[in-house]
Amino acid sequence: EPEVTQTPSHQVTQMGQEVILRCVPISNHLYFYWYRQILGQKVEFLVSFYNNEISEKSEIFDDQFSVERPDGSNFTLKIRSTKLEDSAMYFCASSVIQGSPLHFGNGTRLTVT
Amino acid sequence: GQQLNQSPQSMFIQEGEDVSMNCTSSSIFNTWLWYKQDPGEGPVLLIALYKAGELTSNGRLTAQFGITRKDSFLNISASIPSDVGIYFCASDGDMRFGAGTRLTVKP
Repeated sequence: EPEVTQTPSHQVTQMGQEVILRCVPISNHLYFYWYRQILGQKVEFLVSFYNNEISEKSEIFDDQFSVERPDGSNFTLKIRSTKLEDSAMYFCASSVIQGSPLHFGNGTRLTVT
Repeated sequence: GQQLNQSPQSMFIQEGEDVSMNCTSSSIFNTWLWYKQDPGEGPVLLIALYKAGELTSNGRLTAQFGITRKDSFLNISASIPSDVGIYFCASDGDMRFGAGTRLTVKP
């Protein structure tokens, strides 16, 4: 069964550095999402993306975040200047159409030191 | 965005017991989705509900879409140790998740 794949599985970075988290959504899916989960807490919506533009974003998704679909397969989340509180699991997901079930990757654990 | 309220926050049960958890909202939805998250992994879809009143089963899991379209419940019958995890509800609106119900099953 097709999967959403995320790389790297674990990223350690210093505060103030930029990070790019990468995702390859399922190939026939049209909607893409990023979620964040701080350890032990809920899965928080960050942003959804369709037709090469952001369709919705949460209050968490401020100016330090950006998303891009640089080619036909990758979907990236960039954090411009990481803060300690950005440490979390970041999950990418995709769906065929809006409102249909999401397929999640296994996440990237980001540790900001 | 819409708020999804899940309860209970956590449950500790004995293997073999049945489990019930629910999700409510002040908003009306067209879809309710239930996901399970195992430790260290991403959420995986368990059941999707698309019609008010719909009752859907997936093995030992049963979920219902409330008539008012503002709530849903998930039942697990005859729990086993591998049911351990966090169960999340989500809706079609903006794909936000509830806070989750953390299930612990004691053998």
